[in-house]
Amino acid sequence: GAGVSQTPSNKVTEKGKYVELRCDPISGHTALYWYRQSLGQGPEFLIYFQGTGAADDSGLPNDRFFAVRPEGSVSTLKIQRTERGDSAVYLCASSPGLAGGPSYNEQFFGPGTRLTVL
Amino acid sequence: AQRVTQPEKLLSVFKGAPVELKCNYSYSGSPELFWYVQYSRQRLQLLLRHISRESIKGFTADLNKGETSFHLKKPFAQEEDSAMYYCALSGGSQGNLIFGKGTKLSVKP
Repeated sequence: GAGVSQTPSNKVTEKGKYVELRCDPISGHTALYWYRQSLGQGPEFLIYFQGTGAADDSGLPNDRFFAVRPEGSVSTLKIQRTERGDSAVYLCASSPGLAGGPSYNEQFFGPGTRLTVL
Repeated sequence: AQRVTQPEKLLSVFKGAPVELKCNYSYSGSPELFWYVQYSRQRLQLLLRHISRESIKGFTADLNKGETSFHLKKPFAQEEDSAMYYCALSGGSQGNLIFGKGTKLSVKP
């Protein structure tokens, strides 16, 4: 079946602009995660959804970052007033949830969106 | 503080040699430990997890709670093992993963 997909694959924007990054999780997965990966670093957690609600948003760096998952499937990460320091690869992952048996919390990653802020 | 440390940025070995990628963690409870791998131009994928105690592609990892380590080992490295390897921990349930900075493994012919 189809894995996690993310669009766009690349996004170049100017400082101060608004961007939206989209994630399509694996069908039926109840949990969805956003991570940010800067050059030379491992992925850093941003936010985690269980269904439609944000179960943990403690990784969002500031109030310019916001994410939604209105129908419990597709999620959008929104960044306002982008800064050069926001340049990174934004990764999305999903996991099956309790119906997934022993692998309920195995996270499947998308290919990422490379964001460049000029 | 919750932390995963991978001390080596780059590990270079010859084909057929043993390989060990180090991972140490800091966590106050009982974490679940994972190794993820990213091959060139591919997405991040799970290699193995400590609770399953499996050997995947010849790799094994044992959780040592006394040393707070979860080192990844393979007795005979292959060229196709060349990739970026990330150690990660989870506090359990469906919480987020905390990743190390990664180790790039290069297996030379």
